[in-house]
Amino acid sequence: NAGVTQTPKFQVLKTGQSMTLQCAQDMNHEYMSWYRQDPGMGLRLIHYSVGAGITDQGEVPNGYNVSRSTTEDFPLRLLSAAPSQTSVYFCASRQRTSGKFRNEQFFGPGTRLTVL
Amino acid sequence: AQTVTQSQPEMSVQEAETVTLSCTYDTSESDYYLFWYKQPPSRQMILVIRQEAYKQQNATENRFSVNFQKAAKSFSLKISDSQLGDAAMYFCAYQDQGKIIFGKGTRLHILP
Repeated sequence: NAGVTQTPKFQVLKTGQSMTLQCAQDMNHEYMSWYRQDPGMGLRLIHYSVGAGITDQGEVPNGYNVSRSTTEDFPLRLLSAAPSQTSVYFCASRQRTSGKFRNEQFFGPGTRLTVL
Repeated sequence: AQTVTQSQPEMSVQEAETVTLSCTYDTSESDYYLFWYKQPPSRQMILVIRQEAYKQQNATENRFSVNFQKAAKSFSLKISDSQLGDAAMYFCAYQDQGKIIFGKGTRLHILP
């Protein structure tokens, strides 16, 4: 298994540009999430999904869109990039276990995004 | 909304000594999970230990153990016999339903 993969690893955008960060997992996990990590702020949840066709907002959703058309893929879209969105972005996935949300969350390697 | 607070931005410990990292959280749920993750300079997120809230017994994984105080909403991580490879950012995390919320992290330095 490849686990959780993210592309690209690095990206530089200009203010106002749009782009999509790709995330895919091959473990048939129901749950997927996007986080951003900034110095001194830890990991903050942007959006998450509990299954195909179902998404919900996290702590910092503004400026980001997501969709979950398949179990495997969970892309994160920046419609109009801003310097405040300069960050490292992590995608993660985990399996739901019959009524108990206990399984380990697997993280992708991260995408470092710079918005000029 | 659930929150996770790590009050120690940085800590240092002598190699082979014991260190405790603090974490408190706020929730109105009774069924949830708590985790400690380690993030070395490689940026990879590594699960260190997990605790189910319905279990009174504190979780232990080799040199890592937790002190889980449900009533006080406290979840500290104890690292025994600290090793140079333990140097990293440590994140406390809370999970219920579909989402996991992280604290801001504690950077742990190991002094040789």
